[in-house]
Amino acid sequence: EAQVTQNPRYLITVTGKKLTVTCSQNMNHEYMSWYRQDPGLGLRQIYYSMNVEVTDKGDVPEGYKVSRKEKRNFPLILESPSPNQTSLYFCASSQGTGYGYTFGSGTRLTVV
Amino acid sequence: AQSVAQPEDQVNVAEGNPLTVKCTYSVSGNPYLFWYVQYPNRGLQFLLKYITGDNLVKGSYGFEAEFNKSQTSFHLKKPSALVSDSALYFCAVRVLGSASKIIFGSGTRLSIRP
Repeated sequence: EAQVTQNPRYLITVTGKKLTVTCSQNMNHEYMSWYRQDPGLGLRQIYYSMNVEVTDKGDVPEGYKVSRKEKRNFPLILESPSPNQTSLYFCASSQGTGYGYTFGSGTRLTVV
Repeated sequence: AQSVAQPEDQVNVAEGNPLTVKCTYSVSGNPYLFWYVQYPNRGLQFLLKYITGDNLVKGSYGFEAEFNKSQTSFHLKKPSALVSDSALYFCAVRVLGSASKIIFGSGTRLSIRP
């Protein structure tokens, strides 16, 4: 089944403790992206990648890092999480410019 | 600045009636436009897109959307609403010059009453 898999689905952590949210797609898509969803703000793009080793900042990149060492994986790294990063996070992938994104099921992160 | 707006936080429709969820955009050049739906505790699902061609595009679950260049709008429509259409709907636009940067609207909650 074609899908984007994120892990974990739920995560509660403490301020300052480094964490990684994994994302993997099995569709051989070149484009991948991370979004955060907050009430009333819709989805805001954190980082995106157009291919292996090619990444760029979205609208809200502060406090986040990404890497794209392999085509299928695009992990999101929070080096020192803070409470304002409490949010619902989505990873997505797309096969090209004119195609829609396929989204993962989301990761609900709480930073206390 | 390039942006997309969904002017209604919530739309309420009776089952069987037609529905419209509004979206307007502001982008340079010719836009790539998308609609997504989000059911509770799920990720977003792609509904339909406009790239070029016919202004009326058809998508999943009986939805369609009308692209209007003069009004810079891309409203989502369905002739006859179902209770199961109740969900959160997002309009999105691809930023010109970026293959992967897509901006989402703030979302519209659609509620269909029996």
